[in-house]
Amino acid sequence: SSELTQDPAVSVALGQTVRITCQGDSLRLYYASWYQQKPGQAPRLVIYGKNNRPSGIPDRFSGSSSGNTASLTITGAQAEDEADYYCNSRASGTNRLPFGGGTKLTVL
Amino acid sequence: EVQLVESGGGLVQPGESLRLSCAASGFTVSSNYIIWVRQAPGKGLEWVSVIYRGGSTYYADSVTGRFTVSRDDSKNTVYLQLNSLRVDDTAVYYCARGDYYGSGSSYFFDYWGQGTLITVSS
Repeated sequence: SSELTQDPAVSVALGQTVRITCQGDSLRLYYASWYQQKPGQAPRLVIYGKNNRPSGIPDRFSGSSSGNTASLTITGAQAEDEADYYCNSRASGTNRLPFGGGTKLTVL
Repeated sequence: EVQLVESGGGLVQPGESLRLSCAASGFTVSSNYIIWVRQAPGKGLEWVSVIYRGGSTYYADSVTGRFTVSRDDSKNTVYLQLNSLRVDDTAVYYCARGDYYGSGSSYFFDYWGQGTLITVSS
């Protein structure tokens, strides 16, 4: 079983808000980081730490965490946000750095 | 400008070996940690290994004993030696630069290479 669990697919209407979640025991100890991947491209970091965006990531992307669940929220989703999203966190008590299974976001 | 460029992928037969390179520019590999991640066709991201600043290395269970990560600081390059390759090792292999958030217990990977494809097939 995966150490980090994500919903396989989520959809959102253009301009609406969507939350993508990631569950795992390690998230009680560590912040998740989030990666966006579009077809044929390498992953791109979109959120890290408590709620930090790398340079160039739009402010419609935000992150939060509560208990064993980390969330990536896109406020006012755009067509270009359609992609696969992966969470990552260090596994508790180990040096493993597993990814969640990924969530395919469709913007309708 | 930070860049990571992977090379060394190709078509190999089951049981054979391959060495991937991850050449870095814009930073020194010894000042960060570097991870390898793979993605099988149509599948999600799978963390493979990490090499820390001090040289410590760790691996996913699926590759332990077969893959070895190393670093050549003089060439600013990280390597992934893949031995006893299996059909299910077929994937695009990415290297990425890692950093820490806050007190250092939370990780993130801020720069990624473009990936190199390994196909294991008879």
